[in-house]
Amino acid sequence: NAGVTQTPKFQVLKTGQSMTLQCAQDMNHNSMYWYRQDPGMGLRLIYYSASEGTTDKGEVPNGYNVSRLNKREFSLRLESAAPSQTSVYFCASSQRFTGELFFGEGSRLTVL
Amino acid sequence: GIQVEQSPPDLILQEGANSTLRCNFSDSVNNLQWFHQNPWGQLINLFYIPSGTKQNGRLSATTVATERYSLLYISSSQTTDSGVYFCAVRNNAGNMLTFGGGTRLMVKP
Repeated sequence: NAGVTQTPKFQVLKTGQSMTLQCAQDMNHNSMYWYRQDPGMGLRLIYYSASEGTTDKGEVPNGYNVSRLNKREFSLRLESAAPSQTSVYFCASSQRFTGELFFGEGSRLTVL
Repeated sequence: GIQVEQSPPDLILQEGANSTLRCNFSDSVNNLQWFHQNPWGQLINLFYIPSGTKQNGRLSATTVATERYSLLYISSSQTTDSGVYFCAVRNNAGNMLTFGGGTRLMVKP
């Protein structure tokens, strides 16, 4: 049982490049989330999907787009990367919207 | 939005010592979780505890929802307990889990 799987684990981009972070969960959870963690800080919510077919903005959505591809998969896209988006990105899922969150291992992104 | 404050911000322990970490929050919550972020950056679920008391081995947690705080107890600490401990909460009107600033724990052998 893999839980929440994110790819890639590491990525280096140049300013202006685009990329997509992939996330898949095998726990049959309804809700999925994308967070970012900057050095020495807690996590901040970028976007979430309370259920399949819905997505909503979180605390820091600017510069990102998301797609809830199906119940298992939730992707995060950076259309034109900026150095301010250098961070560690975590995907998470929960059975219900108010339920316990389970996190993936994180994806470390550096934008030069 | 809901405010979450953790204390202490930093803690250094000798192996075998006990400790208590505190999380204060500013509103009623329907979700409270404690996480351990290990030195490799992984976020490990410790407790899902919007109210009441739970224990798991050397760790236990208590949330007093009416007084808006939660405590994480670590007994007989080990070097593998080192890392950052986060409390995260969601209030009834919220759409996100809001994280506290964390407590950075170092356990020395």
